[in-house]
Amino acid sequence: DAGVIQSPRHEVTEMGQEVTLRCKPISGHDYLFWYRQTMMRGLELLIYFNNNVPIDDSGMPEDRFSAKMPNASFSTLKIQPSEPRDSAVYFCASSDFWGLQETQYFGPGTRLLVL
Amino acid sequence: GENVEQHPSTLSVQEGDSAVIKCTYSDSASNYFPWYKQELGKGPQLIIDIRSNVGEKKDQRIAVTLNKTAKHFSLHITETQPEDSAVYFCAAIENNNDMRFGAGTRLTVKP
Repeated sequence: DAGVIQSPRHEVTEMGQEVTLRCKPISGHDYLFWYRQTMMRGLELLIYFNNNVPIDDSGMPEDRFSAKMPNASFSTLKIQPSEPRDSAVYFCASSDFWGLQETQYFGPGTRLLVL
Repeated sequence: GENVEQHPSTLSVQEGDSAVIKCTYSDSASNYFPWYKQELGKGPQLIIDIRSNVGEKKDQRIAVTLNKTAKHFSLHITETQPEDSAVYFCAAIENNNDMRFGAGTRLTVKP
């Protein structure tokens, strides 16, 4: 398996623009997670899905952030409009069976810079 | 809520020495404690985890200990090698599925 795939790997955009991050989880995994990593706040869980259904989005910072999982092999995290403070590395991870209480496999991340 | 504190923030050891990283948590209901290793430019990778029904788990040079009474758990790396250099994160998960990571420890193993 190729592991969790994320695209793009790097994104530079201007404030106010829409940003869409993409993730393909490991085939057969029932859970998908979106994380944000910054120097100031470390690793934060934003939202996670089980069988394509959002289970907990309490970590989503504000309404500018939205995430979807239209099918078992694809998820998006969208920021609209983007702001400089959204600059971070965004990770997608997937796991099977027990979700949070199971090994999570992280993707390589998307490094986002909002100017 | 859950607060996970991790110490030290940086750790430098000589190759062959042991390294110990400690984490504390606040919620007595926490029952799963993973450790992740993150190399530069990559996503975190699980290296070992422990559940609340055991006090220690070992996998080759890596071990994790858990003290539920004191609410702390530790990562032990023995016979460190330069390739162990990375940032290590602990995490704790509450029963309500709120996952919190420690701030990370940057480990440097000097050859």
